[in-house]
This record gives sequence, C-alpha cells and structure tokens, in this order.
Amino acid sequence: ETTVTQSPAFMSATPGDKVSISCKASQDIDDDVNWYQQKPGEAPIFIIQEATTLIPGIPPRFSGSGYGTDFTLTINNIESEDAAYYFCLQHDNFPLTFGQGTKLEIK
Amino acid sequence: QLQLQELGPGLVKPSETLSLTCSVSGGSISNSRFHWGWIRQTPGKGPEWIGSVYYTGRTYYNPSLKSRVTISVDTSKNQFSLKLRSVTATDTAVYYCAAPTVTPLGLWGKGITVIVSS
Repeated sequence: ETTVTQSPAFMSATPGDKVSISCKASQDIDDDVNWYQQKPGEAPIFIIQEATTLIPGIPPRFSGSGYGTDFTLTINNIESEDAAYYFCLQHDNFPLTFGQGTKLEIK
Repeated sequence: QLQLQELGPGLVKPSETLSLTCSVSGGSISNSRFHWGWIRQTPGKGPEWIGSVYYTGRTYYNPSLKSRVTISVDTSKNQFSLKLRSVTATDTAVYYCAAPTVTPLGLWGKGITVIVSS
C-alpha cells in the first residue's frame, strides 16, 4: 500500500501570498496524483490531474509539480475564495490512498 | 455533462447493511476504461477510499473494509452500488461516489450523509 503524507495540516495566508502544500508518497507513483479543493458542506472539486495539469476552468494561480514521490500544490497570489480544504490522491496503485488534507485559512 | 447522484437511506441501524446506489447521467459507465469509486469522509478527517468497480464488474477494495464491502455495477441501468455490512457508529460519514474523467475519481457526486444509529 502506498502511504501519502500531506503537510501542513493547517496553514494561514494573507491575500496575495503564495502557499505550497506537500504530498509525499512512500513509493514511486510516477505522476499519478490528483489534487482537490473542498469547501465546507460541498463536494470536492478536481483541480490538478497527473500531478501538474490544471483542470479546465480552474484559475491559473493554482499549479502542481512533482514526480515519483514528492508532489506540491502551489497557489500564487491567494484570494479569499481559496479558503478551503485541499487534499491529494494517489491513483497509481490499489488501494487508492489520500493525503490527510490541509485546511487553508485566509486572514 | 456527466452527473452523479448518491441514493439511499440516511439512517442505518447498527449491525445492519448500508446500501447506496450511484446513479450516473450524461455519460455511460461502459464508455470508460477507468474505474468508478466510492469514498467516504468524516468531519475533520481526510477522505477514505472504500473501493472501485470497472464496467466489467472487476472490483478493488480498501483492505481495511474488504471483509464488509461489496461494490457492483449495473451497466443496463447505468449505475453502481455499495453495500457495507455490519455497520457501527464508526461508519457514520458522508459517502461520495466518483466517476473517472481523464483520470480516476475526477468527478464526485454531491455526497450523502449516512448516520449509523438505533
């Protein structure tokens, strides 16, 4: 089973900041990582596929990087609407596993 | 446009079986080479993958739940289903079904809250 360790669990940012969220896999998973955004009471929204590809309709201030075991979601020039819970998913092998999630607060 | 809807009871008694169906519209389950999945989430915790099914009926399950879970697909009705047996309070969660888009689990339903209580 591939363990995915996500950090930090919580972060606070100010509009205009740049933030990064990390997911580390316990084994090589190529680029088989999705990133999601979830706001309270809502279903998750798919924002990054295959580690680096932005889903159509997602603002370009979101970006993803990484390959193998280390992956990063970066949000540039943060806006208040980016306040949400973010998590990664590895779909390289079964069982699929999620990161523990990061709650992003905007001051 | 592909849409998913989780259907089923919102309240299940302990020791009974939780049964949910994911109704798929705007696309065919049979048209995807990827799997269709069930995920659950409890407040303040990360999502937990329950299992997945391909249109062929092949299934994969989370080892922690495998002894209690059955996922099936009905391509004629364009839906797939989850059964979780012998539920306890720890199975209380929001349950989501998810569809593949360009990758697995690219689109999630709105979710259904299931409470296990007598």
